[in-house]
Amino acid sequence: KAGVTQTPRYLIKTRGQQVTLSCSPISGHRSVSWYQQTPGQGLQFLFEYFSETQRNKGNFPGRFSGRQFSNSRSEMNVSTLELGDSALYLCASSLVPESTDTQYFGPGTRLTVL
Amino acid sequence: GENVEQHPSTLSVQEGDSAVIKCTYSDSASNYFPWYKQELGKRPQLIIDIRSNVGEKKDQRIAVTLNKTAKHFSLHITETQPEDSAVYFCAARRDSGGYQKVTFGTGTKLQVIP
Repeated sequence: KAGVTQTPRYLIKTRGQQVTLSCSPISGHRSVSWYQQTPGQGLQFLFEYFSETQRNKGNFPGRFSGRQFSNSRSEMNVSTLELGDSALYLCASSLVPESTDTQYFGPGTRLTVL
Repeated sequence: GENVEQHPSTLSVQEGDSAVIKCTYSDSASNYFPWYKQELGKRPQLIIDIRSNVGEKKDQRIAVTLNKTAKHFSLHITETQPEDSAVYFCAARRDSGGYQKVTFGTGTKLQVIP
């Protein structure tokens, strides 16, 4: 069974631009969560999607948004990029969004904002 | 919101010795505590987890203990090997009416010296 995949793996953007990242969960997994990882802030929860609905959201500004499609694939979008948005963006999938279920991480998309 | 503190931030041990990483959490409703290992440039990978109805769990050289009263949990690695060198993250997760909230610790960089 294929793991979680994320595209693109690397991305370079300039301030003010917007970016869309994609995540394909493990086949059969319906819950997708997004995280931002930076050296200074560590791993931070962005949001979680299940059945095309955003179930929960972390403490990030409205510039960060996402969506989930009927096939469980998810995208996240960051508008009006700032230098501080440079980070590794990880998605993780699980069967359902329950605390008893294990999450599996994708390889991440490394975003650099110049 | 939940706050997870992780100590130490760096840890160096001689090969064969044991390593212990500790995390404390603030939200007594957290009920799932995974530990992730992240090697340089790679995705976090779940290495062990524990649920709030269990006090201890062991998997070969890795064990996790949970003290719900004190709200802390620890990762124990015995007979460390150079390939154990990585950054380890703890996390605390809770269900809230079907929504999961997860908070990560700041990470511990473990170096196993051959």
